[in-house]
Amino acid sequence: GAGVSQSPSNKVTEKGKDVELRCDPISGHTALYWYRQRLGQGLEFLIYFQGNSAPDKSGLPSDRFSAERTGESVSTLTIQRTQQEDSAVYLCASSPLTGLAPGELFFGEGSRLTVL
Amino acid sequence: GQSLEQPSEVTAVEGAIVQINCTYQTSGFYGLSWYQQHDGGAPTFLSYNALDGLEETGRFSSFLSRSDSYGYLLLQELQMKDSASYFCAVYKNTGFQKLVFGTGTRLLVSP
Repeated sequence: GAGVSQSPSNKVTEKGKDVELRCDPISGHTALYWYRQRLGQGLEFLIYFQGNSAPDKSGLPSDRFSAERTGESVSTLTIQRTQQEDSAVYLCASSPLTGLAPGELFFGEGSRLTVL
Repeated sequence: GQSLEQPSEVTAVEGAIVQINCTYQTSGFYGLSWYQQHDGGAPTFLSYNALDGLEETGRFSSFLSRSDSYGYLLLQELQMKDSASYFCAVYKNTGFQKLVFGTGTRLLVSP
């Protein structure tokens, strides 16, 4: 597709269950970000992938959160043993960032997670 | 760590000019970006400033003063469709360029 694709768009789960969110970045984009946005709040940085380098995981809120990316393609964000405070929209963004020049981030529509 | 401060809400009327300020404190500052987000939508890129001064793109302009750790977004000839949240975001050089967002400013444009 032409843009960043995220799935599922909506996910309702029970407290304690694991969830997996998927992000398909724009083809050729080397940088990929995950953010969390609670209702009416700003974007909270979670994790950043750049090419084949080790990811910057400094924003992951707890060890229940993990993310993987295969090369420069699909990324999955996994939340284990979900809690009600995990309820939020999870946004993925990709960028054609190369070298040291920051680029525009292209965001997906997000995955809205509701933990009951 | 880092912090970015923006006003939580700004109101204006159609046709007016509005300025949304952003002050930041961060190590490894590389540049400042602005994003727009309509309710229920994805953030979209507006501008990027790496050097001091004003960057103009149509009705929107963005300014950066690195010495003052300050920037602003200027919106001219406001239209109803400009009602949205506006986020400033700092690029931090941590080996790579990590983008950290502020809490956002909600702009309400009235007729």
